[in-house]
Amino acid sequence: DAGITQSPRHKVTETGTPVTLRCHQTENHRYMYWYRQDPGHGLRLIHYSYGVKDTDKGEVSDGYSVSRSKTEDFLLTLESATSSQTSVYFCAIRQSTDTQYFGPGTRLTVL
Amino acid sequence: GESVGLHLPTLSVQEGDNSIINCAYSNSASDYFIWYKQESGKGPQFIIDIRSNMDKRQGQRVTVLLNKTVKHLSLQIAATQPGDSAVYFCAEILQGAQKLVFGQGTRLTINP
Repeated sequence: DAGITQSPRHKVTETGTPVTLRCHQTENHRYMYWYRQDPGHGLRLIHYSYGVKDTDKGEVSDGYSVSRSKTEDFLLTLESATSSQTSVYFCAIRQSTDTQYFGPGTRLTVL
Repeated sequence: GESVGLHLPTLSVQEGDNSIINCAYSNSASDYFIWYKQESGKGPQFIIDIRSNMDKRQGQRVTVLLNKTVKHLSLQIAATQPGDSAVYFCAEILQGAQKLVFGQGTRLTINP
């Protein structure tokens, strides 16, 4: 599992509330990624980080922000959750070989 | 893994047969390809990878073939087992980029 954990694993929240998802890695990888997975769309990149305090947008970044204050943690924040953000969220790390390994996922439901 | 789509291509094979899952990629500049397996309720799991300077790579019970001429990738699973039931994704990395681009996936089901 490449030492990746995600928390929480499941969350139900209401529209308009802020939500933060956490990805934690234990192997000191430089690159970390946040994806969402939805029926009909596969895996889509939200944001990624290439080091502490270094982040960049992916293809579906609107409505999301990220922070990386230390190597091991990459946080994804939904400032004001909407029903369209109901999804399964996966964190990934990239090893030096370019291979990405994924965490177990967080199922988020926005009512 | 949630169900990744009502419109996923599906491949059904008999237990013990070989499975071949195909993937077309779009960018001729892609130089690294990965196959992932995703079981229900889990994250994508790395299976095997291949660089563009190769046309074949073998792992344990799996083989990946790369045809750069027609931009086609395939995953062959030998002697398919019930535990192989999953959604399989191919992914490509464009040369010099940091991001994977994923295909939509194929659902493999095993008939006893």
